[in-house]
Amino acid sequence: EVVMTQSPANLSVSPGERATLSCRASQSVSSNFAWYQQRPGQPPRLLIYGASTRATDTPARFSGSGSGTDFTLTISSLQSEDFAVYYCQQYHTWPPWTFGQGTKVE
Amino acid sequence: QVQLKESGPGLVKPSGTLSLTCTVSGGSISSSLWWSWVRQAPGKGPEWIAETYHSGTTHYSPSLKSRVSISVDKSKNQFSLNLSAVTAADTAFYYCAARSVTGFVAYWGQGKLVIVSS
Repeated sequence: EVVMTQSPANLSVSPGERATLSCRASQSVSSNFAWYQQRPGQPPRLLIYGASTRATDTPARFSGSGSGTDFTLTISSLQSEDFAVYYCQQYHTWPPWTFGQGTKVE
Repeated sequence: QVQLKESGPGLVKPSGTLSLTCTVSGGSISSSLWWSWVRQAPGKGPEWIAETYHSGTTHYSPSLKSRVSISVDKSKNQFSLNLSAVTAADTAFYYCAARSVTGFVAYWGQGKLVIVSS
């Protein structure tokens, strides 16, 4: 099983500031990698797939980078609606598809 | 736009079987999507449980494989999850989801909280 490790667990940022979230895979997942945003009481929402491709409706302030084992999600200027938990996921190796434990942006 | 909605009991007794159904609307269950179940314990990351394609191909998480089954009902545009011999550790939000053939989850249901308790 590919283990996904996110850091930091909690990220304290002010509105308008830049946020950088990291995810590391225990083995290479190439670019078969996604980021999701989860607000309280909601299911996760796809933000980025293919490591760097924004999903439909994902604002341009979100950008993803990386390949292999190290990935980064950058939010260029935090808006109030961006305060949420962010999860990474690999879809390179089954079984099973695996998620990280999350980074809470607060 | 595919929409998914979970249904089923919110409370299951220990050693019992958790059964959930997902109703698909806005699209056909015979489309090129993998129909999946993902769960999330409170405060934890999501955990993939199982997935199925309309052809009947299924994949199960190794950690749950001995207790899980997933099936599709094309006539009702639904798919279902059964998880047997549940314990308190199975208490979680259960989401039905639709995965692209590439691998990322494109659509999620709103989730169903299932509590395992006597």
